[in-house]
Amino acid sequence: ETGVTQSPTHLIKTRGQQVTLRCSSQSGHNTVSWYQQALGQGPQFIFQYYREEENGRGNFPPRFSGLQFPNYSSELNVNALELDDSALYLCASSLSGPGTDTQYFGPGTRLTVL
Amino acid sequence: DAKTTQPPSMDCAEGRAANLPCNHSTISGNEYVYWYRQIHSQGPQYIIHGLKNNETNEMASLIITEDRKSSTLILPHATLRDTAVYYCIVRGLMNQAGTALIFGKGTTLSVSS
Repeated sequence: ETGVTQSPTHLIKTRGQQVTLRCSSQSGHNTVSWYQQALGQGPQFIFQYYREEENGRGNFPPRFSGLQFPNYSSELNVNALELDDSALYLCASSLSGPGTDTQYFGPGTRLTVL
Repeated sequence: DAKTTQPPSMDCAEGRAANLPCNHSTISGNEYVYWYRQIHSQGPQYIIHGLKNNETNEMASLIITEDRKSSTLILPHATLRDTAVYYCIVRGLMNQAGTALIFGKGTTLSVSS
């Protein structure tokens, strides 16, 4: 069974640029959630995708957007990068159904904005 | 989702049991208690979760008080590799596509030899 993978591992961008981060779900999972973790802080929820549609969003501006594909992999896009966007970006996959789900995290993508 | 309170840091000697407390006094009847840990600069790792009953798996045990207002995560024989930030999270039942994890500051557990 393959776990959650993310690419790239590290990324350096300059202010104003755009970036795309990728996430492959764990086998059998249909939901992907994205989180941002600034240095020294706990992860903060960005949004969640279920069946290719956004289903729940945290307190992040519209320049943070995403996609989920038919194979349940996902992308996080950030436009007009700001210095404060420098963080570890985490995706987590889960199998949604009745009851509760358990989210499993990937290793993250470290984004540095200069 | 209910808020949680955890001590900012704890120490444990290698080989001893690590008991990490979490207070969730405003938890409602259909909310689960989840525990994750995060080793430096890695993605959070799922440990265990429970609703009412105590739970045990290969990593840890979760003890939930009868009134559900607090819980304790127990690592029975801590090793140096258990040094991490431990997060206690309370989550409601899923809607169509689940609920977000709301992370607090967690407890930094330091295991020493």
